[in-house]
Formats: sequence, structure tokens, C-alpha cells
Amino acid sequence: AQSVTQPDIHITVSEGASLELRCNYSYGATPYLFWYVQSPGQGLQLLLKYFSGDTLVQGIKGYEAEFKRSQSSFNLRKPSVHWSDAAEYFCAVGAVSGGYNKLIFGAGTRLAVHP
Amino acid sequence: DSGVTQTPKHLITATGQRVTLRCSPRSGDLSVYWYQQSLDQGLQFLIHYYNGEERAKGNILERFSAQQFPDLHSELNLSSLELGDSALYFCASSVLGGMNTEAFFGQGTRLTVV
Repeated sequence: AQSVTQPDIHITVSEGASLELRCNYSYGATPYLFWYVQSPGQGLQLLLKYFSGDTLVQGIKGYEAEFKRSQSSFNLRKPSVHWSDAAEYFCAVGAVSGGYNKLIFGAGTRLAVHP
Repeated sequence: DSGVTQTPKHLITATGQRVTLRCSPRSGDLSVYWYQQSLDQGLQFLIHYYNGEERAKGNILERFSAQQFPDLHSELNLSSLELGDSALYFCASSVLGGMNTEAFFGQGTRLTVV
């Protein structure tokens, strides 16, 4: 069955420090992978996506993610975190199952940023 | 602003009642997805409509139903509400129905059942 695992429920980093959020997926075929961010009281905003091609993808707000098929991972990175990056981050895989499409989300990682 | 509009933003209702949540997708988007976000279940896919037709059902209870109208807006109907239905309900839209297309999310409707 398709699934997405985000091993870290909470992460705290200092402002200006680098960030890596982990995501592992389980999917039999080539996955479509997404990272979304949810700020308090807001909907989900797409940060970046991987469909095919270059395994290092660039997104908005200085985020990037690397698809590693051998590790079934799609980790999100940012070289320098700003206080406004505090939010919840969701990794998702686009899956086809039983002839229909859906996005399967991980449980999310809540990021806190210390000044 | 994602371009997806959900109304109302907040809803408080009693157990046993019925409510309707509304979603207007981005202009030109044919697909509408509904998701439920709760503390214990996380983000759960409920249902997907494409150009007025139901395409997929996820973890949607029989007490819940949805439809997409000719103008492409969608409504999610929740009936015989229980305390456990309290959650944030998101609508998302995309141009097509495939999983290689980006979905844009609304800001959600927070439902509180008392």
C-alpha cells in the first residue's frame, strides 16, 4: 500500500541555521512527490514537486528537495531558515490506486524557529 | 491567495445536525478534491470530482456526500454529525485529474461539533 512517512513530528532550529526535513515514501511505481507548507490558520501551499527528470528540484522561498529512488526518500532542505518559516510541512505522494488518483500525505513535521 | 475559495471559514453545530461546506475552485480548474484534517488522523483524502463526475472515494463516511455542479463549484454535505467529525475540511483544485498536476488548496472550513 502507498504511504508517506515523516519521521520527525517536531523540529526546532535556530534562525539562520540549515534545515532538512525527512520524507520516505512507499509506492510501487515512479512517484509524483510534493512538499506542502501549512502556516497557522492557512491552507496548504505547494513548495515544490517532483515528477521526473533532475532529481534535485528547486521550489519557492529557497527550498529544494532531492529525490533518491534507492532510499525511497524526498527530503526537503533550506540553507538558511527565517523565523517566518515556522509552520507545518507535509510531504505527499501522488498515487494511482484502483484506477483513481489521490494525494497521500505524511503526518507532517512542525517546524519551530528560535531567534 | 491560492484562488480556491471555501465557505464558511468556521462552523459550529450540534451533534446530529447536517451542514454543507462549499468550495469554489480556481478559474479553469476541473478537478476538486476534499480532505479532512484532524489531530488524530492527519490529512485524509475524502473524495475527488472531475468536471462534475465523481472520480475517486477515499476515507469518506457514508454520512458524508459531495457533488460538483455544472459551474464546477463543489459542496460537501456532512450529516448526522458526531463529535469526532470536528476537523478542518480542505478543498483543493487542479486543472486536470491526474496526479502529475499541482493541486491548490483553499484555507479550509473549521467545523466544530458540540
